[in-house]
Amino acid sequence: QKEVEQNSGPLSVPEGAIASLNCTYSDRGSQSFFWYRQYSGKSPELIMFIYSNGDKEDGRFTAQLNKASQYVSLLIRDSQPSDSATYLCVVNRGSGYALNFGKGTSLLVTP
Amino acid sequence: EAQVTQNPRYLITVTGKKLTVTCSQNMNHEYMSWYRQDPGLGLRQIYYSMNVEVTDKGDVPEGYKVSRKEKRNFPLILESPSPNQTSLYFCASSLQGLGNQPQHFGDGTRLSIL
Repeated sequence: QKEVEQNSGPLSVPEGAIASLNCTYSDRGSQSFFWYRQYSGKSPELIMFIYSNGDKEDGRFTAQLNKASQYVSLLIRDSQPSDSATYLCVVNRGSGYALNFGKGTSLLVTP
Repeated sequence: EAQVTQNPRYLITVTGKKLTVTCSQNMNHEYMSWYRQDPGLGLRQIYYSMNVEVTDKGDVPEGYKVSRKEKRNFPLILESPSPNQTSLYFCASSLQGLGNQPQHFGDGTRLSIL
């Protein structure tokens, strides 16, 4: 079973719409959840992190966490073409100090 | 400016010729890590270091060595590179390595082993 699963996409949304990116994880001991954005050939950059169940909002971004369902999502409101990138879901391992990385969801925002 | 600096950014070399990719951070972070990224496989951790002189294997350590003699530096060493080590490599650091803090990534090093 893959530790962190994401739909590879591409997810295509029109400019101005809400993009919804989803991630499931298998380690019930995980406590920390991160979303990174990665443009092609560039390094990942942190978008959001969330530690508690519920929603966390930061500008146009909202992270949602449901530990019972082992599900974390990222909503991007008013999507812009500059949001077109691959979004990585990253989850800490319940034991030890390593992280589990999803393979990423490719998002395409069309003008 | 807070940053993680990797060098070189690009390198083409031949099988068996030892190489070192340097990584330096100026944020006084305790935790540093090396990842490789390959199409279809995502980011995979090679080695990590919790602090000076403390290193441990990640998921794909074979063929790599690391050292952490100073807090700011964490070089990745390929003693005898092979073509299957052709990849995009990222160094990252975080304040502490408890898994609950975001990581800051370097700009990446693209290695081609012929």
